[in-house]
Amino acid sequence: QKEVEQNSGPLSVPEGAIASLNCTYSDRGSQSFFWYRQYSGKSPELIMSIYSNGDKEDGRFTAQLNKASQYVSLLIRDSQPSDSATYLCAVNPNDYKLSFGAGTTVTVRA
Amino acid sequence: GAVVSQHPSRVICKSGTSVKIECRSLDFQATTMFWYRQFPKQSLMLMATSNEGSKATYEQGVEKDKFLINHASLTLSTLTVTSAHPEDSSFYICSARDQGQGVSGYTFGSGTRLTVV
Repeated sequence: QKEVEQNSGPLSVPEGAIASLNCTYSDRGSQSFFWYRQYSGKSPELIMSIYSNGDKEDGRFTAQLNKASQYVSLLIRDSQPSDSATYLCAVNPNDYKLSFGAGTTVTVRA
Repeated sequence: GAVVSQHPSRVICKSGTSVKIECRSLDFQATTMFWYRQFPKQSLMLMATSNEGSKATYEQGVEKDKFLINHASLTLSTLTVTSAHPEDSSFYICSARDQGQGVSGYTFGSGTRLTVV
């Protein structure tokens, strides 16, 4: 079993819609969870971090964490063409290095 | 915010030669830096953890004699791909953690696109 798994995608949504990304992880002791956005040919950039169960909102982005289910998700509201990218879920299982999922590619149709 | 500078951004080298990639933390000290490799349409794979003043820790399956890592100061880590071959062509990305920002302080360099011909 992979440490971090994401819904494979690709995900295509119309402009203005909600994009929903899912991620599960295997290490129950993980405490820190991150969503990174990566544009083609570029390095990842952090868009959300979450540490406690529940929802965390930042602008159009909402991260949801459920440690009992070992599940973390990212919602992108009012999707824009500029949101078209690959989204990487990352988990911090041992407090010093990150484990990444394979990524979900999102395309927002204008 | 924390900035990590990575150079070069793009390099083409001949098979059998060596290539050095630099990763610098510009406004913070990084006792630990991480080196990743990313093949097209795949996720980041951690290659090694670079520790200032000591030997790097390599992930399983990564050849330490081929991918030489030096972390000589608190702001600089280098990755040297020795005797490069076409299969080493990839996107190499470094990351450093700003301890002052807690667990959210992972910052990535801009990446190096290596092409071995």
